[in-house]
Amino acid sequence: DGGITQSPKYLFRKEGQNVTLSCEQNLNHDAMYWYRQDPGQGLRLIYYSQIVNDFQKGDIAEGYSVSREKKESFPLTVTSAQKNPTAFYLCASSIRGEHEQFFGPGTRLTVL
Amino acid sequence: GQNIDQPTEMTATEGAIVQINCTYQTSGFNGLFWYQQHAGEAPTFLSYNVLDGLEEKGRFSSFLSRSKGYSYLLLKELQMKDSASYLCAVEGVDTGFQKLVFGTGTRLLVSP
Repeated sequence: DGGITQSPKYLFRKEGQNVTLSCEQNLNHDAMYWYRQDPGQGLRLIYYSQIVNDFQKGDIAEGYSVSREKKESFPLTVTSAQKNPTAFYLCASSIRGEHEQFFGPGTRLTVL
Repeated sequence: GQNIDQPTEMTATEGAIVQINCTYQTSGFNGLFWYQQHAGEAPTFLSYNVLDGLEEKGRFSSFLSRSKGYSYLLLKELQMKDSASYLCAVEGVDTGFQKLVFGTGTRLLVSP
């Protein structure tokens, strides 16, 4: 049963702490993406990776970092440099060169 | 620049038909997606339009006019479970990467 998993669904952290959000897919997709969703705003691209060991900044990369050591995994670290980290974070993947992106269930991060 | 406009909210009655419009101005255009997103969940793919015209898929249809920068999603025989946000996303090309730019979404409320 293939799909994208994100864990945990809800995450709470204190201000000033780094936190890493997990994203795993077993769809054998080459490309993976991280989006942020805020109320009243569309999804905004944070980082994307088209192949293993390569990733690119999206539109709002400041305060975030990623790694892509394995094809299946694309973790996102929200650093203390991110000024407003509370949001709903969505991971997606696609077959490289194909159009449709498949989304994970999301992680709602709340920074207190 | 990139600009995608859709209404913030719409209401309709069970069994009715509703049309959700999306207008866009983007620097590049490969195609246009419509996604459905229930509150707190992942977006799920509804349709992808590349060429002008109407694409029908069951109760849902999507229309595209590239020359007018306009699309709409048509939902027929509305059901209560259709209450969700509907996201319009334009696919462009950014340094060889197929990038999605999302609108803010239209929240549809279906009442009995």
